[in-house]
Amino acid sequence: EVQLVESGGDLVQPGGSLRLSCAVSAFTLSDHYMHWVRQAPGKGLEWVGRSRNKANGYTTDYAASVKGRFTISRDDSKNSLYLQMNSLKTEDTAMYYCVRGYNYAYDYWGQGTLVTVSS
Amino acid sequence: QSVLTQPPSVSAAPGQKVTISCSGSSSNIGNNYVSWYQQLPGTAPKLLIYENDKRPSGIPDRFSGSKSGTSATLGITGLQTGDEADYYCGTWDSSLSGSPWVFGGGTKLTVL
Repeated sequence: EVQLVESGGDLVQPGGSLRLSCAVSAFTLSDHYMHWVRQAPGKGLEWVGRSRNKANGYTTDYAASVKGRFTISRDDSKNSLYLQMNSLKTEDTAMYYCVRGYNYAYDYWGQGTLVTVSS
Repeated sequence: QSVLTQPPSVSAAPGQKVTISCSGSSSNIGNNYVSWYQQLPGTAPKLLIYENDKRPSGIPDRFSGSKSGTSATLGITGLQTGDEADYYCGTWDSSLSGSPWVFGGGTKLTVL
């Protein structure tokens, strides 16, 4: 059974940094585009960024709201995806989901990890 | 404000049918596949429809999707109380000014 398990969410002060992890199982990570999607409390879904698969050079793209502050990386040997978040702002407070890309959609979602940015 | 426009809420009685619209533009829905997601209270979103009208394995045929021009529609027939959830549409966007992927603002379905 495909599983994605996020971890690393925490309470952090504005301007701080945090690294989220996503451990995947039951599929070959290098074959898939992987994404991060977030959801602020009581709000809708917001795409954060993506890591293309090995065939496409693992290149990354980001939403304008996080570009230059967030970095997506992966370690296929550890079956893990990461989201490094720097210069955090209060508006980054959200549940962060690790998501697998499939046929122009997202077919598997993790349970999410909560990031709270507050002083 | 979301790039894709959905009604904030819809409601219908058990057993009835409901449709949820998702309106976009030529830079997103007009030239890309649309997918739909169901988010039950307190849970992660779940894929309902991909490539406009395809259902993943395990999704009942009560759920259907369609696309015409720059709009897409999710249909749910035989409504059940367990269908009460937030529903989101999503697609790629080729506009240079925004994010490559966009979601609608979400629609809350109430089964009366």
